[in-house]
Amino acid sequence: QSALTQPPSASVSPGQSVTISCTGTSNDVGGYNYVSWYQHHPGKAPKLMIYEVSKRPSGVPDRFSGSKSGNTASLTVSGLQAEDEADYYCSSYAGGYNLIFGGGTKLTVL
Amino acid sequence: EVQLVESGGNLVQPGGSLRLSCAASGFTFSNYVMNWVRQVPGKGLEWVSTININGHVTNYADSVKGRFTISRDNSKNALYLQLNSLRAEDTAVYYCVRESIAWSRDYWGQGTLVTVSS
Repeated sequence: QSALTQPPSASVSPGQSVTISCTGTSNDVGGYNYVSWYQHHPGKAPKLMIYEVSKRPSGVPDRFSGSKSGNTASLTVSGLQAEDEADYYCSSYAGGYNLIFGGGTKLTVL
Repeated sequence: EVQLVESGGNLVQPGGSLRLSCAASGFTFSNYVMNWVRQVPGKGLEWVSTININGHVTNYADSVKGRFTISRDNSKNALYLQLNSLRAEDTAVYYCVRESIAWSRDYWGQGTLVTVSS
């Protein structure tokens, strides 16, 4: 399976909102509601931010939200803060025992 | 507090072997499916392998099948990954990851670096 497609970078001012896309196919993103999003500050452990397309684990601020349309999932971060600057990865179940990830998006808070 | 601490990463020559370990704490290890996920420097994440709660069922990415072996010791709260016939393209940070609902992975370690180079 090929990796999911994410924009390599995004830059947004503090307080603004950003939406990061994650594009797959009908065999992964479009075929299942098993999309997750992870935040990764380099050198630290990645953190689960969204699972099952739009659900937030306990402790994740409601500024983070997820959605899906067709073969594309999206992560929206509103009211951006400096600590939101990180790499963001999506993942999707792809049938059988296959889990695929996106290439990652580096989010910069200007 | 859930903690996953990887160890065993090192510089190894092509064709060589390495064993990675992951020490788990803060949760009932034997109740969870566990994974290894890797990240090539500067690239995205790649799922490597998964093992079920009793260690009897394992799955591997095609890129490592036949060369890597995942195992666990529930009495020691430990997860392992045996890496054989290593290639340059196996150079990556390897993460120990706990599996959660809906195919998500809810806790990750900080990773251990494996470098394959002559």
